[in-house]
Amino acid sequence: GQNIDQPTEMTATEGAIVQINCTYQTSGFNGLFWYQQHAGEAPTFLSYNVLDGLEEKGRFSSFLSRSKGYSYLLLKELQMKDSASYLCAVLDSNYQLIWGAGTKLIIKP
Amino acid sequence: ETGVTQTPRHLVMGMTNKKSLKCEQHLGHNAMYWYKQSAKKPLELMFVYNFKEQTENNSVPSRFSPECPNSSHLFLHLHTLQPEDSALYLCASSQAREGGETQYFGPGTRLLVL
Repeated sequence: GQNIDQPTEMTATEGAIVQINCTYQTSGFNGLFWYQQHAGEAPTFLSYNVLDGLEEKGRFSSFLSRSKGYSYLLLKELQMKDSASYLCAVLDSNYQLIWGAGTKLIIKP
Repeated sequence: ETGVTQTPRHLVMGMTNKKSLKCEQHLGHNAMYWYKQSAKKPLELMFVYNFKEQTENNSVPSRFSPECPNSSHLFLHLHTLQPEDSALYLCASSQAREGGETQYFGPGTRLLVL
């Protein structure tokens, strides 16, 4: 079966750095997405990786290793507004999005 | 604001009621999706419409009935729901179904079935 694993919850301190991991086993691979979802709001697109390596976008970076079935989202200089759930999703060989259950990130002052 | 709106934002209904959820996208996209989001579970894809044609129905019970009158509007008609159907229902759109285009989500309708 197809599976996406990510931690259920993480806690970090304002101003610090946090890394949210995602591992996947899917039927084929056509890219990996990260979305941010604040409580009661829409998931919003953060990043898309299809090649190995690190993609940096401001305070957020996303890394992919296809051989390891692994990705992480790195958040730097954490702000209170970064408190949200972070969803990892993989596009399989049929272009179906397979979703993880999300990681709830709690930022403490 | 993602360009995808959903109404109502909250809905409480009894098991014998009939209600409809509405989604509208202002992005000029051709594919629209309904998802169910339950606490601590992955998003569950329910239905996909591509150029107004339903292309996927992921074994969704018949008490959920989608309708897509045009590429900008998507409805989810609900009748005789069960308490376990209580969840957040998200609508999304993308440029097309093929090719893994990025999906843009609405804020969702929080549904409670009593």
